[in-house]
Amino acid sequence: NAGVTQTPKFRILKIGQSMTLQCTQDMNHNYMYWYRQDPGMGLKLIYYSVGAGITDKGEVPNGYNVSRSTTEDFPLRLELAAPSQTSVYFCASSPGREADTQYFGPGTRLTVL
Amino acid sequence: GQNIDQPTEMTATEGAIVQINCTYQTSGFNGLFWYQQHAGEAPTFLSYNVLDGLEEKGRFSSFLSRSKGYSYLLLKELQMKDSASYLCAVQDSNYQLIWGAGTKLIIKP
Repeated sequence: NAGVTQTPKFRILKIGQSMTLQCTQDMNHNYMYWYRQDPGMGLKLIYYSVGAGITDKGEVPNGYNVSRSTTEDFPLRLELAAPSQTSVYFCASSPGREADTQYFGPGTRLTVL
Repeated sequence: GQNIDQPTEMTATEGAIVQINCTYQTSGFNGLFWYQQHAGEAPTFLSYNVLDGLEEKGRFSSFLSRSKGYSYLLLKELQMKDSASYLCAVQDSNYQLIWGAGTKLIIKP
């Protein structure tokens, strides 16, 4: 049982490049989330999904896109990377939403230069 | 707006007790979580409170007062491995988590 896995662990992008951050969970959780964590600030929700085929915007969705074609996978797409997207990105999952613990992946540290 | 406040940094001595406070103002309340995050790692769940009072789990306890918009995490018998950031998060009316910036706890021998 691997839990939540993310790839890559580290990435450096040039301004304007695109990339996809991968996230997979093997716990059969319905809910999945993407957060970004910047120094000195709380985690910010980018997008979330309540099940395969259903996604919704969080607090900071601009510059990102997601899809959820299967229960297991929830990739995050950056189309035109900007320095403001330099951050640590965490994917998380939970069985439901009420009182349910969110389980986090190890994170992707992204730098945009 | 929604706001979670917790101290930026605290220092404590190995073997001692420390209390980390969290105050919140959110649109609705469906529970409060505490997570631990070691440097360079992912957050991991510590505790959950939805009713007023104290929840005890081993060396860690968490308290909630909904009327005061206040919670604290109490860590007893501090160990060096407890050096980490402690994140307070409130589940709002939409069941989304609003996160505090975290409290970095430094344990000295």
